[in-house]
Amino acid sequence: SYELTQAPSVSVSPGQTASITCFGDKLGDKYAYWYQQKPGQSPVLVIYEDSKRPSGMPERFSGSNSGNTATLTISGTQAMDEADYYCQAWDSSTVIFGGGTKLTVL
Amino acid sequence: QVQLVQSGAEVKKPGASVKVSCKASGYTFTNYDINWVRQATGQGLEWMGWVNPNSGNSGYAQKFQGRVTVTRSTSMSTAYMELSSLRSEDSAVYYCTRAIAASGTAYYSYYMDVWGKGTTVTVSS
Repeated sequence: SYELTQAPSVSVSPGQTASITCFGDKLGDKYAYWYQQKPGQSPVLVIYEDSKRPSGMPERFSGSNSGNTATLTISGTQAMDEADYYCQAWDSSTVIFGGGTKLTVL
Repeated sequence: QVQLVQSGAEVKKPGASVKVSCKASGYTFTNYDINWVRQATGQGLEWMGWVNPNSGNSGYAQKFQGRVTVTRSTSMSTAYMELSSLRSEDSAVYYCTRAIAASGTAYYSYYMDVWGKGTTVTVSS
């Protein structure tokens, strides 16, 4: 079955750029999606179809997907961006989630 | 506004079943799939299955095949997830989500744009 792999944690200083990656076999031949989840809250969609932002999502969130890697980039990271981030893909009529990356802003 | 309102927390004994509801409002219920995703404490997101409210068709993750049933009532704009033969490992927060499906793009697109607040299910003897 298809798998998506994420690093468990990433750290970034405020104002710097954070990159969160998601690996999957030929992931670039599918769409990648990203969700943000803060403690005690439901996940929120931050990027869909590799690089599109939902209405109201700040421009500092961007995405790319090529080869075996999808990347979520947060430019000018703010303290409020500290959260868990999950990538997602669709394969063989199933939804696949990555294991999640905890972003720490310090 | 678009909302998914889930039923309240449940406590069940091992071997029992649980049925969680998800009432949709603010959009045409039959135009979007409803998916169910669960999350154990401190763990990641785990997809369980989907239902197409228009056709009633459903699909499930292989892990839950035979143990989960996702249904809907179009008259009540409500989707349901029933999980049977509960064990302690099923203790988790269960989310319903609205899914966007699009086939006119470069690849088939399927993702969740709206999430309910979650229903906590605790399985304990």
